[in-house]
Amino acid sequence: DVKVTQSSRYLVKRTGEKVFLECVQDMDHENMFWYRQDPGLGLRLIYFSYDVKMKEKGDIPEGYSVSREKKERFSLILESASTNQTSMYLCASSLDRPSNQPQHFGDGTRLSIL
Amino acid sequence: DAKTTQPTSMDCAEGRAANLPCNHSTISGNEYVYWYRQIHSQGPQYIIHGLKNNETNEMASLIITEDRKSSTLILPHATLRDTAVYYCIVRVTFGNEKLTFGTGTRLTIIP
Repeated sequence: DVKVTQSSRYLVKRTGEKVFLECVQDMDHENMFWYRQDPGLGLRLIYFSYDVKMKEKGDIPEGYSVSREKKERFSLILESASTNQTSMYLCASSLDRPSNQPQHFGDGTRLSIL
Repeated sequence: DAKTTQPTSMDCAEGRAANLPCNHSTISGNEYVYWYRQIHSQGPQYIIHGLKNNETNEMASLIITEDRKSSTLILPHATLRDTAVYYCIVRVTFGNEKLTFGTGTRLTIIP
């Protein structure tokens, strides 16, 4: 069974803190993604990675960075957390080939910045 | 990606088959139909996908019309745990990795 694990379901941090969200997948998937989901705005792509040490900006990368040192782990970093980064964060992974393979999601991290 | 149209909401009695329709009249030849669902406060869950043949897995069946302009997701024996928002997505097979959801269908299973 496909398994994408996000380190925390709920997280509360303060403005200005550096925040790390961790994601691990056990399917040997090449592609990994970070999204945020907000009411009325749907799913928005922050960053994605096709391979170890590779990263590509999504639609809303500002204020975020990522790290992929190992194939199975993709970390999202909020460099200096702000209240507008309060959101549900979703990690996903997929096989690179064949290219029609679906993305599989973790359970999400609901992050609140106070 | 082709645009999809789904009903806003549906109800289904527990134990009955839930049939969720999706229209995608502008689908192109290389686009697959994917179904996901999202239970409240959880991450989206992949259900099934197909190109033109009907597909079945342990969760559901996907029926795609011959002209591929519409499809139906069938949950054969709905349970209360199937209450969720269901999203139909049409995607090209390569080069477009971003996933976006429309408004979906809110399916409520009635005891």
